[in-house]
Amino acid sequence: DTAVSQTPKYLVTQMGNDKSIKCEQNLGHDTMYWYKQDSKKFLKIMFSYNNKELIINETVPNRFSPKSPDKAHLNLHINSLELGDSAVYFCASSRDRGYTFGSGTRLTVV
Amino acid sequence: GENVEQHPSTLSVQEGDSAVIKCTYSDSASNYFPWYKQELGKRPQLIIDIRSNVGEKKDQRIAVTLNKTAKHFSLHITETQPEDSAVYFCAASMSVDYKLSFGAGTTVTVRA
Repeated sequence: DTAVSQTPKYLVTQMGNDKSIKCEQNLGHDTMYWYKQDSKKFLKIMFSYNNKELIINETVPNRFSPKSPDKAHLNLHINSLELGDSAVYFCASSRDRGYTFGSGTRLTVV
Repeated sequence: GENVEQHPSTLSVQEGDSAVIKCTYSDSASNYFPWYKQELGKRPQLIIDIRSNVGEKKDQRIAVTLNKTAKHFSLHITETQPEDSAVYFCAASMSVDYKLSFGAGTTVTVRA
């Protein structure tokens, strides 16, 4: 009964491919996020959704498209993958008290 | 937008000693300041947070202080143990359910 679960945990793919990462939370939180953690461990917000509505889009290339079918799910689709997209992607959710992060998806583009 | 600076980037302490990590932020509208601990290969986990109407908060061996006038906040870990070894991130936000701007992280190593 993981609170915020992401799949897959690891993703290795070639440049130019399209891939998706899925996130689900069972905490009843209203707000969900995608963060990117680069090789230097820096955590940077990409998107935020509140009750299925996009509220933050932080100058992310439009190759990245989030989708929230309901408030418990937030998926991330990436088109035309580039080498620089290699990173760990964390989903998170929050309601009133801090974030709960998912376990992360390590994306490697070769 | 908000800019959070964190120092030091690495910190090595002897077991039992104290560790202090300092952060500064730029946006005076920020009023929520959480700290996260990330062990190797794991997710960041919230360890303590403070809101702008409070100057200090303590939870067992961990304490945070906030100086809103100077726009800086600090994490203090006392009686450090090997399991405290991890990367610690400070963050700032205008609200608890809003985007967090993270510092660059501090790698803490506790020597046995």
